[in-house]
Amino acid sequence: GAVVSQHPSWVICKSGTSVKIECRSLDFQATTMFWYRQFPKQSLMLMATSNEGSKATYEQGVEKDKFLINHASLTLSTLTVTSAHPEDSSFYICSARFSGRAGLSHEQYFGPGTRLTVT
Amino acid sequence: AQSVTQPDIHITVSEGASLELRCNYSYGATPYLFWYVQSPGQGLQLLLKYFSGDTLVQGIKGFEAEFKRSQSSFNLRKPSVHWSDAAEYFCAVGKTSYDKVIFGPGTSLSVIP
Repeated sequence: GAVVSQHPSWVICKSGTSVKIECRSLDFQATTMFWYRQFPKQSLMLMATSNEGSKATYEQGVEKDKFLINHASLTLSTLTVTSAHPEDSSFYICSARFSGRAGLSHEQYFGPGTRLTVT
Repeated sequence: AQSVTQPDIHITVSEGASLELRCNYSYGATPYLFWYVQSPGQGLQLLLKYFSGDTLVQGIKGFEAEFKRSQSSFNLRKPSVHWSDAAEYFCAVGKTSYDKVIFGPGTSLSVIP
C-alpha cells in the first residue's frame, strides 16, 4: 500500500509553454501533498505544501504565479509550470501524506518524480 | 530554523564492508528524523525514522541508525554493504510527523565489488 504515482515521468516542452504534472495517491487519501524540486546531484528542495481544498503554501523564494499547485481532491494534486523557461528544467517530486486512519503512519510517501526539460 | 548537514558528499566502500553515513541536524527540540534512499530512476524510499523511544532504530534492508541528542546526530549504519546499496542517501528532519521535512544535501554511496 501507500503508492504515489506521477504523470508524466518525463516531459519536454518548448520555452514559453506550460506543462502540468500530476501526483496521485493510488491507494490512500492524502490530505496533504508536497512538491519538491531536485537539481542534478543535489538534494530535494521543498517548493510548496498543498492541503486538499485550500491554497498551497509556498516556500520562500518560490514563485507562486509560476508554479501553480492545485489539490482539488484527496487523491490528486497538480503542479503547473507556467511559461516555462530552460532554467525550470529539473526533476520534480511529489509526496503525499496520509492522516486519519489507525495503522498507517503519517509519514510521507514519495512519487517516482517527473523530469522536465524545457528547450 | 531546522537544518540538516551530511558531511560526506560521496563515500566509496567495498562490498561486504561496514558503512556509516553521517547526519547532523539543527533543531531546538527533539526532531523527527528520517533516512531516505534514492536509487537511479526510482523514487525516494524510507529506510527508517525516529520519533521517540529507543535511540537505536532498525530499518529496512539491514540498515540501522542511532539518535544521539548530545551530538545532534542521526548516523546511518549497515554492517555489511551489498552492491545494490549503491544509491543516494538523504537524511531529513521535521518538527513533527505532520510537518514539512527538510532534506540534507545527500551522500552518494558507491560500492566496489
